[in-house]
Amino acid sequence: DIQMTQSPSSLSASVGDRVTITCRASQAISNHLAWYQQKPGKVPSVLIYAASTLQSAVPSRFSGSGSGTDFTLTISSLQPEDVATYYCQTYDTARRTFGGGTKVEIK
Amino acid sequence: QVQMVESGGGVVQPGGSLRLSCEASGFNFRDFGIHWVRQAPGKGPEWVAFVQFDGNLKMYADFLRGRFVISRDNSKNTVHLQMSNLRLEDTAVYFCLQDVPGAPFDYWGQGTLVTVSS
Repeated sequence: DIQMTQSPSSLSASVGDRVTITCRASQAISNHLAWYQQKPGKVPSVLIYAASTLQSAVPSRFSGSGSGTDFTLTISSLQPEDVATYYCQTYDTARRTFGGGTKVEIK
Repeated sequence: QVQMVESGGGVVQPGGSLRLSCEASGFNFRDFGIHWVRQAPGKGPEWVAFVQFDGNLKMYADFLRGRFVISRDNSKNTVHLQMSNLRLEDTAVYFCLQDVPGAPFDYWGQGTLVTVSS
């Protein structure tokens, strides 16, 4: 199975800060990677797919990059409503592994 | 609009069995594979199993060690997850999701809660 390793597992940043989350795949997955945002009590929702394509209605402060094994999710200016846990996921094969998650809080 | 409705969850003792169901609508069910994903309390989502559109290919997470069986009935737009020899660590909300090749999971239902407890 492909393993997805996210870092950090949690972070605390100030409003307006630039935040970066990384995700590493144990083998090359091309750009078959999605980022999800999950707020407490809600189901995950897609932020980014194909590593860098923003889902409809997602604010432009979110961006994704990477290909192969190394990927990044960036929030250019952290807002209070961005407090959530973020997960990467590969859909390169039918075994759609998720990363362990990054909990983002406001300092 | 794609809709996935999970049911069949409940409280079961360790070693027990449970059968989850997933009823799908809003798309041509027999053309798409279906996944089960679970999320334990306070943990991240975890992929569990997949069944191909025709039921001929099934895939399972390694940690299941043969305890779960996925099946589908295309005449009823339904997928089942038969869970046996349940363990405390199987406690989670279980979701079924449409497989769209080359795309992430866009449509999540509310899931069904399985609690394994003595």
